[in-house]
Amino acid sequence: QKEVEQNSGPLSVPEGAIASLNCTYSDRVSQSFFWYRQYSGKSPELIMSIYSNGDKEDGRFTAQLNKASQYVSLLIRDSQPSDSATYLCAVYNQGGKLIFGQGTELSVKP
Amino acid sequence: NAGVTQTPKFQVLKTGQSMTLQCAQDMNHNSMYWYRQDPGMGLRLIYYSASEGTTDKGEVPNGYNVSRLNKREFSLRLESAAPSQTSVYFCASSDRGTNEKLFFGSGTQLSVL
Repeated sequence: QKEVEQNSGPLSVPEGAIASLNCTYSDRVSQSFFWYRQYSGKSPELIMSIYSNGDKEDGRFTAQLNKASQYVSLLIRDSQPSDSATYLCAVYNQGGKLIFGQGTELSVKP
Repeated sequence: NAGVTQTPKFQVLKTGQSMTLQCAQDMNHNSMYWYRQDPGMGLRLIYYSASEGTTDKGEVPNGYNVSRLNKREFSLRLESAAPSQTSVYFCASSDRGTNEKLFFGSGTQLSVL
């Protein structure tokens, strides 16, 4: 089992809809969780970080964390074609290393 | 601000050749990372350096060596390249602590024939 797992995708949503991206992790002591966005041919860029159970909102993005279920998600409201990218979930393990999931490709159709 | 600089951007090797990927950061960060990215596999950690003079294996270290000679630079060496090492390689850095985001270089596209 990979330390960090994501829905394989691709995920296709219409413009204006809510996109929901999910991630599970195996290391129960993990405390820091991140969502990176990566456009084709580019480097990953951080869009959200979350450290406590519950929701964290930033503009159209909401990260949700449930440590008991070892589950973290990203919601994108009012999805735009410019949101089309691969979204990578990342978790620091107890060894202090940042481990990424395999990524979910999101396509927002006009 | 240069941030994280990787060289080269592109490289083609023959099986068995060796090469070193260079990475330097100018943000005075303590931690540096090397990842590889293959289609559908996300980013996989090759090696990690928590601070100058220390290195640690990641998820896929076989076939690679690293060197952290100073705080700025973290190099990745392929001693005998194999076609399975064809990938996009990213270097990244972060400040101390596990709440810190990573800053990525622009990547190296490596093809091993």
